[in-house]
Amino acid sequence: KAGVTQTPRYLIKTRGQQVTLSCSPISGHRSVSWYQQTPGQGLQFLFEYFSETQRNKGNFPGRFSGRQFSNSRSEMNVSTLELGDSALYLCASSLAKGTATDEQYFGPGTRLTVT
Amino acid sequence: LAKTTQPISMDSYEGQEVNITCSHNNIATNDYITWYQQFPSQGPRFIIQGYKTKVTNEVASLFIPADRKSSTLSLPRVSLSDTAVYYCLVGGPNSNSGYALNFGKGTSLLVTP
Repeated sequence: KAGVTQTPRYLIKTRGQQVTLSCSPISGHRSVSWYQQTPGQGLQFLFEYFSETQRNKGNFPGRFSGRQFSNSRSEMNVSTLELGDSALYLCASSLAKGTATDEQYFGPGTRLTVT
Repeated sequence: LAKTTQPISMDSYEGQEVNITCSHNNIATNDYITWYQQFPSQGPRFIIQGYKTKVTNEVASLFIPADRKSSTLSLPRVSLSDTAVYYCLVGGPNSNSGYALNFGKGTSLLVTP
């Protein structure tokens, strides 16, 4: 079974621009979560989608948004990029129960650099 | 929100047992404890999850005392390939019908011959 895939793997953007990252979950997984990983803050939860609905949200500003499609694929968008948004963005999928109580399968991440 | 604290780094020799402890003094009643392993340039990989007492699978054991304010990941007979960063995650449903999630900063384990 194919794992979680994320595109693109690397991205360089300029301050003020916006960016869209894509995630394809494992076949049959209906929950998709997004995380930001930085050396200073570590792993931080962004949001989770289940059946095209945002089920859970972390403590990030409104510039960070996401959506999920009927085939469970998900996208996250960051508008008005700031230097501090440079990070590894990880997507994880799970069967159904949710981020805290389900085994999550992570993708390799998208490395975003904001200049 | 449960603040999750774990050692920054640990060293071990091949073949030894490694115990990594995570402190979560403010853990909530509904919170679960999960451990993930991460290699460079890869996403984290699930190791084990528990709620209380002891859980064991084919790769690790998780010990959780009765007060649940800490947990210990035990890796038996580590090998060089166990060199990685290990994350403790504490989280579960909260009163706002969402989830509260808190990752530790990660413990970098170095296994040497």
